[in-house]
Amino acid sequence: GAVVSQHPSRVICKSGTSVKIECRSLDFQATTMFWYRQFPKQSLMLMATSNEGSKATYEQGVEKDKFLINHASLTLSTLTVTSAHPEDSSFYICSARESEGSWGSGNTIYFGEGSWLTVV
Amino acid sequence: AQTVTQSQPEMSVQEAETVTLSCTYDTSESDYYLFWYKQPPSRQMILVIRQEAYKQQNATENRFSVNFQKAAKSFSLKISDSQLGDAAMYFCAYTDSWGKLQFGAGTQVVVTP
Repeated sequence: GAVVSQHPSRVICKSGTSVKIECRSLDFQATTMFWYRQFPKQSLMLMATSNEGSKATYEQGVEKDKFLINHASLTLSTLTVTSAHPEDSSFYICSARESEGSWGSGNTIYFGEGSWLTVV
Repeated sequence: AQTVTQSQPEMSVQEAETVTLSCTYDTSESDYYLFWYKQPPSRQMILVIRQEAYKQQNATENRFSVNFQKAAKSFSLKISDSQLGDAAMYFCAYTDSWGKLQFGAGTQVVVTP
């Protein structure tokens, strides 16, 4: 079946630095990917929708300048946490749609393995 | 805006027994999709079952089945013959557009021998 790979699985960075997380669809083209954030013992919260070849759509309350999303190809979306601070420490996970066009019964959503970010 | 509500923070079940997880949602859309995802400690999101709103028949996947009540906006998950490997956090999720998922708060399932 289709696979979405996320890298790195764990990253530790110093406060004030930037860190990039990659989300790749390995055997299908994904024009749309999604980025979620999950705090301990909480649910997944959608951060943004990543659109290939265009700007990402951010959810209300998500800082665009802090969480930079780039979807430069049909198989890769990246999330860059800029000027990271300890409060940005969290679990970040991406998902991708396998099919083109509007949502329908043939569509499937695949999740990456997630990335643990710790800012020290 | 759509909301998904899971009112059970934790459910405990004995091995081989049955447990039902509740989920309600709010939407004004007529065409949408509902999912149950399992998240073990590894945090990997595992699709358990999906239901298309236009289908009246309840979805089933082996020991997992749903009770979809569209008018009541209810979507419960039944786990039959529970196994130790079923222990995890379970999330109910909704989407009506482009695969953007709205998740409930989650229910922790504890399976006791």
